[in-house]
Amino acid sequence: KAGVTQTPRYLIKTRGQQVTLSCSPISGHRSVSWYQQTPGQGLQFLFEYFSETQRNKGNFPGRFSGRQFSNSRSEMNVSTLELGDSALYLCASSLGSGSKNIQYFGAGTRLSVL
Amino acid sequence: GENVEQHPSTLSVQEGDSAVIKCTYSDSASNYFPWYKQELGKRPQLIIDIRSNVGEKKDQRIAVTLNKTAKHFSLHITETQPEDSAVYFCAAPFNAGGTSYGKLTFGQGTILTVHP
Repeated sequence: KAGVTQTPRYLIKTRGQQVTLSCSPISGHRSVSWYQQTPGQGLQFLFEYFSETQRNKGNFPGRFSGRQFSNSRSEMNVSTLELGDSALYLCASSLGSGSKNIQYFGAGTRLSVL
Repeated sequence: GENVEQHPSTLSVQEGDSAVIKCTYSDSASNYFPWYKQELGKRPQLIIDIRSNVGEKKDQRIAVTLNKTAKHFSLHITETQPEDSAVYFCAAPFNAGGTSYGKLTFGQGTILTVHP
């Protein structure tokens, strides 16, 4: 079974631009969660989607948004990029949406904002 | 919401020694505690997890213990090897209204270095 796939792996953008990241979950997994990883803040939860519905959201500004498609693939979008948005963005998929479902991570998209 | 504190932030040991990393959590409703290992430039990978109905779980050189009363859980690595060098993260689900909806709150991470 293929693992969680994130594209692209690397992105360089300038301030004010917007960016879209993609995540394809493990086949059969219906839940996709997104995390931001930075050296200073560690791993922070962005949002989680299950069956095309956002079920939970972290403490990030409205510039961060996401969606999930009927095939469970998910995208996240960041508009009006700021220097502080430079980070590794990880998505994780799990079979269901309960608290005990194991989350499997993708390799991440490293975003650099210049 | 859930708050997870992880200590120490860095840990240096000699090959063959044991390593222990501790985490405390705030939400008494949390019932699942995974540990992830992240090597440099790689994705976080689950190495062991524990459910709230058991106090200890072992998998070869790795063990996790859970004290629900004190709200803390620990990762124990015995007979450490250089390939154990990585960042280790503990996590707990954020429970809102009885379900976490796929949100994990992570500790700040422990950089483990095993010297040959």
